[in-house]
Amino acid sequence: GENVEQHPSTLSVQEGDSAVIKCTYSDSASNYFPWYKQELGKRPQLIIDIRSNVGEKKDQRIAVTLNKTAKHFSLHITETQPEDSAVYFCAASRGTSYDKVIFGPGTSLSVIP
Amino acid sequence: KAGVTQTPRYLIKTRGQQVTLSCSPISGHRSVSWYQQTPGQGLQFLFEYFSETQRNKGNFPGRFSGRQFSNSRSEMNVSTLELGDSALYLCASSPSGATNEKLFFGSGTQLSVL
Repeated sequence: GENVEQHPSTLSVQEGDSAVIKCTYSDSASNYFPWYKQELGKRPQLIIDIRSNVGEKKDQRIAVTLNKTAKHFSLHITETQPEDSAVYFCAASRGTSYDKVIFGPGTSLSVIP
Repeated sequence: KAGVTQTPRYLIKTRGQQVTLSCSPISGHRSVSWYQQTPGQGLQFLFEYFSETQRNKGNFPGRFSGRQFSNSRSEMNVSTLELGDSALYLCASSPSGATNEKLFFGSGTQLSVL
């Protein structure tokens, strides 16, 4: 079945540095890739997503890149701030279908002031 | 609109017991999905309901079951609890359940099995 791997599992960066989280997926039919952020004690929330017809998408300090050939996608956070500290989950799904959304195991990001 | 509501917030049970968790989706959302969250395992998909029908199911044993009511509220039941069932159980709702829709998560039910 579909599997999503995510690395690293934990990441510490200095405030102002960049952070990169990488995910790989196994189902070549996947074409929708959302990222969710879960702050400590709070519910996961969608922060950005990318579809397979796009190679890169940016929203202020965050960006996602997608390499369909290699079946991997990445989240990039620039100029990190303490409020970026959270667990980040990548996910993959077959876009417009009604199939399940498969999440990666998560990356715990700590931004050190 | 009110967000996704899950009750109870915390539960403590002993092995062998059963438990029922409840999820009320955002008004107008007809799809409800359930996830088990444990440290290091991320969000494991349990099942998804749409219009009172289970549409998708993850790789969990039959002890895990659910249902959805005509008002889209959903319940999840775990029978014969095991220690390994201790986890945060999250539900999420979306308008139609299409996998490119944003998922709106509840705050979760923290289940501890002693």
